[in-house]
Amino acid sequence: AQKITQTQPGMFVQEKEAVTLDCTYDTSDPSYGLFWYKQPSSGEMIFLIYQGSYDQQNATEGRYSLNFQKARKSANLVISASQLGDSAMYFCAPTPSNNNDMRFGAGTRLTVKP
Amino acid sequence: GAVVSQHPSRVICKSGTSVKIECRSLDFQATTMFWYRQFPKQSLMLMATSNEGSKATYEQGVEKDKFLINHASLTLSTLTVTSAHPEDSSFYICSASILQGRAGTQYFGPGTRLLVL
Repeated sequence: AQKITQTQPGMFVQEKEAVTLDCTYDTSDPSYGLFWYKQPSSGEMIFLIYQGSYDQQNATEGRYSLNFQKARKSANLVISASQLGDSAMYFCAPTPSNNNDMRFGAGTRLTVKP
Repeated sequence: GAVVSQHPSRVICKSGTSVKIECRSLDFQATTMFWYRQFPKQSLMLMATSNEGSKATYEQGVEKDKFLINHASLTLSTLTVTSAHPEDSSFYICSASILQGRAGTQYFGPGTRLLVL
């Protein structure tokens, strides 16, 4: 089974600053997608950003961007200009392109301080 | 956008009873639905994958006879926790994927919090 590592159980960031959440994986699938989800205390899973393994450029979605390093099997999420509403759990999920089998890392709890 | 609903959102039941959780894709047909379980302060763990009209594929360690999954149509999957016990108390989340669009994309329901007394 694929191993997904999120090394930061908890992170703190000052409001308006940028923060990077780490994610590494060890997939052997030749084609896969990298998903990041946000889970606030309500429990819903909110899709943030997607990176295809063959995409040449790093994905960006508003304040979210991915620092994708394919050779290192790393897909770190960068949140710029943090807001108080960004406080939540964040999960990365490398997913094979051929079977939609989505597994999640252990997650990082981000707390944005005013 | 693709919307997935779950019902009920919360349920409290006595030990030994069975609980059914519904997962519906409201505005699209889902080729595959997934069921996850999440204990407090932990990640989502995949329980099973189900395709319409066929038996669900369960992850290792998940009891098929305890967690019954029925994927009756392309828009509805149900998870029944049979003879629930306090250790089954958890947050259960379903998701649905479609053939079209970006491979791997899943749309998540809002989750169901189950408390077994």
